[in-house]
Amino acid sequence: DAGVIQSPRHEVTEMGQEVTLRCKPISGHNSLFWYRQTMMRGLELLIYFNNNVPIDDSGMPEDRFSAKMPNASFSTLKIQPSEPRDSAVYFCASRTGTGLGGYTFGSGTRLTVV
Amino acid sequence: RKEVEQDPGPFNVPEGATVAFNCTYSNSASQSFFWYRQDCRKEPKLLMSVYSSGNEDGRFTAQLNRASQYISLLIRDSKLSDSATYLCVVKGYGGATNKLIFGTGTLLAVQP
Repeated sequence: DAGVIQSPRHEVTEMGQEVTLRCKPISGHNSLFWYRQTMMRGLELLIYFNNNVPIDDSGMPEDRFSAKMPNASFSTLKIQPSEPRDSAVYFCASRTGTGLGGYTFGSGTRLTVV
Repeated sequence: RKEVEQDPGPFNVPEGATVAFNCTYSNSASQSFFWYRQDCRKEPKLLMSVYSSGNEDGRFTAQLNRASQYISLLIRDSKLSDSATYLCVVKGYGGATNKLIFGTGTLLAVQP
């Protein structure tokens, strides 16, 4: 099992540019989560999907953020336009719907907006 | 008030010491609880679930006090490799039962 795969691992971009983060969940996991981690706020849930359908996007900070899950094996988180305060580590995680335990996280994307 | 609160530390302890971390949560309807471990510049990984009766996994013991809305993690005979950030996690409640809510973490540094 390859685990949750995120790309890119690191992204440095200029303010105002569009940024797209990618995630491939573990095969068979039907829930997918996007988290953002900063020193000040810790891990914050941005949005999660069940069976490719967005269930709760209340954590998405602004309209500049959008997420899609076109199929069970792929999700994207897009920031357009990016701002320096978006700099953080973005984690994707997945789990099975029937699991009683926690999630499996990907390695994260470290985003720096300059 | 944050939904999950932890002492950020750092906790600096010598090898072999016993160390305890505490965590409080705000919603009494919460049903599931976990401890995650996060190494520097890595993703969080599940350390153990926390059960109502308390549970042990080797050198690690987790306890839950529902009346006080309090969770603890005890590490005995600490090793250098235990150095990490320990995240207290509460599973969502009501219509948000699929969400995990994370504390900001407690940093542990085990010294030789």
